[in-house]
Amino acid sequence: GDSVTQMEGPVTLSEEACLTINCTYTATGYPSLFWYVQYPGEGLQLLLKATKADDKGSNKGFEATYRKETTSFHLEKGSVQVSDSAVYFCALRGEGANSKLTFGKGITLSVRP
Amino acid sequence: DGGITQSPKYLFRKEGQNVTLSCEQNLNHDAMYWYRQDPGQGLRLIYYSQIVNDFQKGDIAEGYSVSREKKESFPLTVTSAQKNPTAFYLCASSVNRARRNTEAFFGQGTRLTVV
Repeated sequence: GDSVTQMEGPVTLSEEACLTINCTYTATGYPSLFWYVQYPGEGLQLLLKATKADDKGSNKGFEATYRKETTSFHLEKGSVQVSDSAVYFCALRGEGANSKLTFGKGITLSVRP
Repeated sequence: DGGITQSPKYLFRKEGQNVTLSCEQNLNHDAMYWYRQDPGQGLRLIYYSQIVNDFQKGDIAEGYSVSREKKESFPLTVTSAQKNPTAFYLCASSVNRARRNTEAFFGQGTRLTVV
């Protein structure tokens, strides 16, 4: 079945550092890929998405490119801020008509001033 | 404003009691979902519904029940049969589950604690 693997965390960075959070997936065909963010005590918010190979999703300075050849969707940001501290989830929705949204385990990012 | 409302935000339950978590959306979405979140385990799907009066079990449905009598509402009951109910519960909705490129919108969650 479909699965999403995220790098182990937590991750702690200083403000203005570069961020990369790795995400790889297993799915048949061409799934849609998503990054969600969860701030403390809240639900998940969609950060960005990509629906076909080589698409780049971007939002709030974050970017991720759908790499079919490496089955990856790594999240990147050139300069993180304290306000980016949150839990980040990679997710996919498969091609099938009744496919579900499958999440990775999430990774906690802490940015210190 | 359109969105998903979960209530209550915090809920305490005694062992052996059933408890119902509320989820209401005004986004006119057909599909609704319940997830359970535990530390280090990501989100696990409990139940989902694609249309009124229809719902299906997810990956961890045992000890839970749902109903979908109205498009806007998808309440989750945590029964006494759920052996480890303490968790953060998230409700979500989407335009249509069959449309693979549509994202899910989430509520703010309910933290259930068994005392």
